[in-house]
Amino acid sequence: NAGVTQTPKFQVLKTGQSMTLQCAQDMNHNSMYWYRQDPGMGLRLIYYSASEGTTDKGEVPNGYNVSRLNKREFSLRLESAAPSQTSVYFCANVPGISYNEQFFGPGTRLTVL
Amino acid sequence: GENVEQHPSTLSVQEGDSAVIKCTYSDSASNYFPWYKQELGKGPQLIIDIRSNVGEKKDQRIAVTLNKTAKHFSLHITETQPEDSAVYFCAARPGRSTLGRLYFGRGTQLTVWP
Repeated sequence: NAGVTQTPKFQVLKTGQSMTLQCAQDMNHNSMYWYRQDPGMGLRLIYYSASEGTTDKGEVPNGYNVSRLNKREFSLRLESAAPSQTSVYFCANVPGISYNEQFFGPGTRLTVL
Repeated sequence: GENVEQHPSTLSVQEGDSAVIKCTYSDSASNYFPWYKQELGKGPQLIIDIRSNVGEKKDQRIAVTLNKTAKHFSLHITETQPEDSAVYFCAARPGRSTLGRLYFGRGTQLTVWP
């Protein structure tokens, strides 16, 4: 039972390149989130999804798109990467609106040159 | 939206001493306050949480206190050990928040020296 998995673990991109960060959960949870973590900035919400097929913007959505095609997977896409998107990205999930604990994945460290 | 401030940003203590991390929040309707611990190279993990109808909660060496009037809450770690060294995040969930959305503080790097 892996919980929350994220791929890749590390990635280096050049400015302007695109890529998709993958997140998958085997916990059968409804809500999923994408955060970015920057030094001294804590965790900032990029996008979240209440259920399959629904997504909403968080605090810092610019430059990102997301896709929730099924309950298990929630992907984050950078269409044209910029150095400001260098960060550690975490995926998290919650069983449902009446639950509290967010379960985090191990993270993806992204560097944009 | 909610604004959560966390202090200090770094904290060094001797093994066996106590550590206290403090957070304030802005939305008086916030009703849930978790604390997460993040070890190096890993994702954050919930260590303790408190709801707005409770003033204090304890779990072995860890305790959290909440002052709703002043809109602040604190994490207390007693008898610290080297394995307590990590980054700690506080968070708040507004009462009107959809999907259990949390707003996080900027984190505290705790170092426990043997």
